[in-house]
Amino acid sequence: AQSVTQLGSHVSVSEGALVLLRCNYSSSVPPYLFWYVQYPNQGLQLLLKYTTGATLVKGINGFEAEFKKSETSFHLTKPSAHMSDAAEYFCAVKARAGRRALTFGSGTRLQVQP
Amino acid sequence: EAGVTQFPSHSVIEKGQTVTLRCDPISGHDNLYWYRRVMGKEIKFLLHFVKESKQDESGMPNNRFLAERTGGTYSTLKVQPAELEDSGVYFCASSRGGSEGTEAFFGQGTRLTVV
Repeated sequence: AQSVTQLGSHVSVSEGALVLLRCNYSSSVPPYLFWYVQYPNQGLQLLLKYTTGATLVKGINGFEAEFKKSETSFHLTKPSAHMSDAAEYFCAVKARAGRRALTFGSGTRLQVQP
Repeated sequence: EAGVTQFPSHSVIEKGQTVTLRCDPISGHDNLYWYRRVMGKEIKFLLHFVKESKQDESGMPNNRFLAERTGGTYSTLKVQPAELEDSGVYFCASSRGGSEGTEAFFGQGTRLTVV
């Protein structure tokens, strides 16, 4: 069975500071990896995904994530936080074969201080 | 292209009543998923349709939940009778079939409150 762990249910950074949201997964075979974001009163929006190839993946709004197989991690980063980045972020995995549903982490709420 | 649409956006019902949630996927998407987030916990899978067939319903909590996808288009999720623990946000997602099916597009969710 797959599982996803997001360290830190709440993260607070200052505007302009580095954003680092942590995600570790457990899976017998490296899965597809995703980061979704939910802005207030909106649905889930895909930020970025890793399927194959280059392990550093760039997404929307300046975010990127690096797949590290040896560490079973897929941490999300952004060099400089903006007030508009305040939202809840979800890491998710999907098996490469078989079950097609996503398994989500518990989410990290990002607060950006002026 | 229209996104995934869910309605109602909010529903407040009394314990024991029935509620039906609806999801309209993106046109042409064979895969349709229902997920639920309860009390700020993780988003959990409920079930997966491929066209009109239930591919995986391993996440359905009990027989008070009934999902349908008639004609392989929109889907409904009925809760009957609703219990307090059914409160949460219900998300619907859809994706294309085949090798393109790795990305799922989500609706805004239906917030269900059972009182």
